[in-house]
Amino acid sequence: NAGVTQTPKFRILKIGQSMTLQCTQDMNHNYMYWYRQDPGMGLKLIYYSVGAGITDKGEVPNGYNVSRSTTEDFPLRLELAAPSQTSVYFCASSTHSTGEDGYTFGSGTRLTVV
Amino acid sequence: DQQVKQNSPSLSVQEGRISILNCDYTNSMFDYFLWYKKYPAEGPTFLISISSIKDKNEDGRFTVFLNKSAKHLSLHIVPSQPGDSAVYFCAGSTDSWGKLQFGAGTQVVVTP
Repeated sequence: NAGVTQTPKFRILKIGQSMTLQCTQDMNHNYMYWYRQDPGMGLKLIYYSVGAGITDKGEVPNGYNVSRSTTEDFPLRLELAAPSQTSVYFCASSTHSTGEDGYTFGSGTRLTVV
Repeated sequence: DQQVKQNSPSLSVQEGRISILNCDYTNSMFDYFLWYKKYPAEGPTFLISISSIKDKNEDGRFTVFLNKSAKHLSLHIVPSQPGDSAVYFCAGSTDSWGKLQFGAGTQVVVTP
């Protein structure tokens, strides 16, 4: 199984540009998440989804949007990129609602906004 | 507010000895606590979890201890191996949607 696949792995954006970070999982997990990790910091939740068609904001949603049209895909859209969005972005999925079995994470997308 | 804190940014331990990683939390509503391990340029991988109604959970070389009265948990790795060199994140889960609050991580270096 591929698990959670994120593309691209690296990207440089100019201020004001937009892009979509792709995330696909093949484990039929209902729960999917987007986190960002800044240097020396823990991961912070941007958006999450509990199933196709259902999404909600996390701790740091400003400047981002998501959609969940299928169980497998959970893309993260950045509109009008800003330097504060320079970070490493991780997508994750889970089968349990309480999370006690842990997430499966993708390998991350390293984004630099210049 | 940071609800999960890992106050030691780094830890160096000799191969074969015990690694003890500490984590403090402020939110008494956490239902589960989890530890993740992360290598450079990879996503975190799940190690072990513990329910808030337990005080210990063990899985091979990894044991997590929970002290609810002190709002403190620790991860013990025995014996430490070179492959254990990584960043370890502590996380807490409060609700039914699996959302996690992460600590800032502890970099572990296991030396020969």
